[in-house]
Amino acid sequence: DAKTTQPPSMDCAEGRAANLPCNHSTISGNEYVYWYRQIHSQGPQYIIHGLKNNETNEMASLIITEDRKSSTLILPHATLRDTAVYYCIVRPLIYNQGGKLIFGQGTELSVKP
Amino acid sequence: EPEVTQTPSHQVTQMGQEVILRCVPISNHLYFYWYRQILGQKVEFLVSFYNNEISEKSEIFDDQFSVERPDGSNFTLKIRSTKLEDSAMYFCASSEIGYNEQFFGPGTRLTVL
Repeated sequence: DAKTTQPPSMDCAEGRAANLPCNHSTISGNEYVYWYRQIHSQGPQYIIHGLKNNETNEMASLIITEDRKSSTLILPHATLRDTAVYYCIVRPLIYNQGGKLIFGQGTELSVKP
Repeated sequence: EPEVTQTPSHQVTQMGQEVILRCVPISNHLYFYWYRQILGQKVEFLVSFYNNEISEKSEIFDDQFSVERPDGSNFTLKIRSTKLEDSAMYFCASSEIGYNEQFFGPGTRLTVL
């Protein structure tokens, strides 16, 4: 089973920041936090991942609490195309080993005009 | 930008028939995966493949399933005798090295009648 807890749904106004929370209170020291999203039954799309420091890329920012028990994915200026199911996944990062992704139910984000 | 491709996009088959789903991973990737998503349910891991052998498989991946990398570019999932409950979207994914982000294909929708 997934080791994360996410709200089932959220709304966001277009152009505003979308803040998607994730609880992973049982995360282990060697586990990273990954975020993927799935737009309407398309293949999941990687967004970002991190261990303990905050991370930012062209798609989003990831804020991980100091105790690593929760994180927030931030889409700084949400657009209608960001409407999707967002998955928070924890998995160990072990060099040179293929690691399965265990998806939960995710958060269905609806960006509204 | 390189991408994972899958064929066919939709496959309809009769119960008991064999099906082969095909994937072309990104060319320099070394790890390959199959996932499935039954309509309305979460994405489930099936199998990971590295160095021409299965590195991990889930309970779903029973003797009816097999994977193969028949040449340097294709990665296939075979279901020997399809059941109604095999109806799902099947996603192929690949990653450059084991712990990097996985890139997913668009999926093959399998319908078993």
